[in-house]
Amino acid sequence: QVQLVQSGAEVKKPGASVKVSCKASGYTFTGYYMHWVRQAPGQGLEWMGWINPNSGGTNYAQKFQGRVTMTRDTSISTAYMELNRLRSDDTAVYYCARPYIVAAPADPLFDYWGQGTLVTVSS
Amino acid sequence: QSALTQPRSVSGSPGQSVTISCTGTSSDVGGYNYVSWYQQHPGKAPKLMIYDVSKRPSGVPDRFSGSKSGNTASLTISGLQAEDEADYYCCSYAGSGVFGTGTKVTVL
Repeated sequence: QVQLVQSGAEVKKPGASVKVSCKASGYTFTGYYMHWVRQAPGQGLEWMGWINPNSGGTNYAQKFQGRVTMTRDTSISTAYMELNRLRSDDTAVYYCARPYIVAAPADPLFDYWGQGTLVTVSS
Repeated sequence: QSALTQPRSVSGSPGQSVTISCTGTSSDVGGYNYVSWYQQHPGKAPKLMIYDVSKRPSGVPDRFSGSKSGNTASLTISGLQAEDEADYYCCSYAGSGVFGTGTKVTVL
């Protein structure tokens, strides 16, 4: 069965960086793009972008361009999302998500999600 | 892109129907038939309920239905059940993703 298992919660200071991992199993990792979505406490969902695990190509939402980097390690079927220059409003649960089988790879339509990683930014 | 607009909350008694609206623009909701709906229980990851405006993934009860008119999409839950109490988010996914502001559904 498909599983996306994310790394544990992080506490960071403003200005620092955080790197969240997402280990995929149960399917061919390079066969599906991996997207990242975040959710601030009590707030809605926000799409951040995707990485093509096959080529390493990426596409980031305009809001995060210049601050986010998505990478992958195909040898261990793991995707990463690194966010730099953290601010207090980056405090959120960060999810990795796999596109639904009928979706175009780059379309943010998801049927499998990681369990979420809480990133807290506080001085 | 700005978040799609949803009502903050809706409520209904068991067995009743509720409808959640999701208003965007001609650049997102109105321009494409790429609208999805997610259900999210507290502390859990979202679950896909509707895609391509009105299609249901396997396993989603047919009590959930979707539609669209102009720049507004809608999710209707018929025969409301206690387990339907959750937050619901719409999403326009034509190329990039824009989510709605979220609606809390309360079963009275």
